[in-house]
Order: sequence, then C-alpha cells, then structure tokens
Amino acid sequence: DGGITQSPKYLFRKEGQNVTLSCEQNLNHDAMYWYRQDPGQGLRLIYYSQIVNDFQKGDIAEGYSVSREKKESFPLTVTSAQKNPTAFYLCASKGQGKKRLLEPQHFGDGTRLSIL
Amino acid sequence: AQSVTQLDSHVSVSEGTPVLLRCNYSSSYSPSLFWYVQHPNKGLQLLLKYTSAATLVKGINGFEAEFKKSETSFHLTKPSAHMSDAAEYFCVVSRSSGNTPLVFGKGTRLSVIA
Repeated sequence: DGGITQSPKYLFRKEGQNVTLSCEQNLNHDAMYWYRQDPGQGLRLIYYSQIVNDFQKGDIAEGYSVSREKKESFPLTVTSAQKNPTAFYLCASKGQGKKRLLEPQHFGDGTRLSIL
Repeated sequence: AQSVTQLDSHVSVSEGTPVLLRCNYSSSYSPSLFWYVQHPNKGLQLLLKYTSAATLVKGINGFEAEFKKSETSFHLTKPSAHMSDAAEYFCVVSRSSGNTPLVFGKGTRLSVIA
C-alpha cells in the first residue's frame, strides 16, 4: 500500500545536538511538507517542497533545515539552534496532477522528539 | 490571507447524541476546506473536503459538513456519536488557486462519554 513513513517514532536529543527526522513517501507525490504540533496550537508549517531540489521556508523555519534530493524523501534536521524542539513532528505529501487543487494532503504517523 | 478559527477547544458529548464542531474561515479567494481527524500519537486522516462542487459534503464514519459562504462557516456534524469518535479534529483551509500550503485551525478535542 502507498503511504508516508516517518522514522523514528520516538527520538531523544541531547543539548547542542543536531538530529534528523526521516520522511519517505511512495505515493509519487511532488509536494512534501513538515509541520510541528504543540498542544493547543494546531499544526505549524516548518518547510515545504513542491519539487525535487527546491524548498521554501514556512512559518517557523528558524532552527530547522531540510533537503529534497529525491522525490520520495524529505528529511528534516532539527539543529542545536532550535531552543525548544520538544514537539510532535508530522510530514505530509500532496499530489500535483490535473486535479491537484482538489487533492488533500496525506500524513505520516509522526515523530515525537524530546530533549534529554 | 487565509485563516481558520475553531470556536471550541474541547467538546464533550454522550454516546449516541449529535456532534457539532464549529469552524469559521477567512479567505480572500474561493477556498478549499477540509476536516481532518487525529487519534493520539497518530497522523491526520482526512474526514471530508469541500471544493465548491456541493455545499453539503459527506465524509467517512458518518460525518458531514456544510459550507455556508454567507456565514463563512464550515461546521462538522454527526447525528450520533460513537466512542471511537473521540479524537482531535482540525478544520483546514487552502487557496483554490495555486498549491500554497494549508492553514490549520488549532483543533477541537472531542470527548465521548459512555
């Protein structure tokens, strides 16, 4: 079955350490997104990519970095510059065919990041 | 710019009674609107979407929503709540033209009491 795989499910970071969250999709979607979820705040957009080798900052990009070297992969690095990284991180993707305007985003099951 | 306001952060209903989760939106363009559901420690699952074809939209698990342009609302309803409906629900808006990212409401937590 096609879908989005996020790994690991749980991740712990030490102070001053960079960590990378994986997101892989086999839906052949062009667009991919990273969101951060905190209690009571809904989802906030970190970065998104509409095509390979291109990405844009979202609303809360500071302290994060991404790459999009392959269509199916969109890893997110949480750098040591992100002072409050504890959150639930969700990856999503979306098709961009003729009916792209009608297409919803598809979500992975998330990665929960905590600080040691 | 688009924005979404979910009017209740928490709704509690008894099993078998109707569910109403309220959502108002603001959009400079003709919007597409979605409702997603999230169970604990899981990703978001699409319940239904409005894309201007019909104002009353039916979704999965017996949920439906009505788009009311005059009221800028897109409330989610279900005639009879089930215990398995307990989850977080998000109202979401996107521009109909272009592929800009979605804008999420802050969510409504639905509790279902036996």
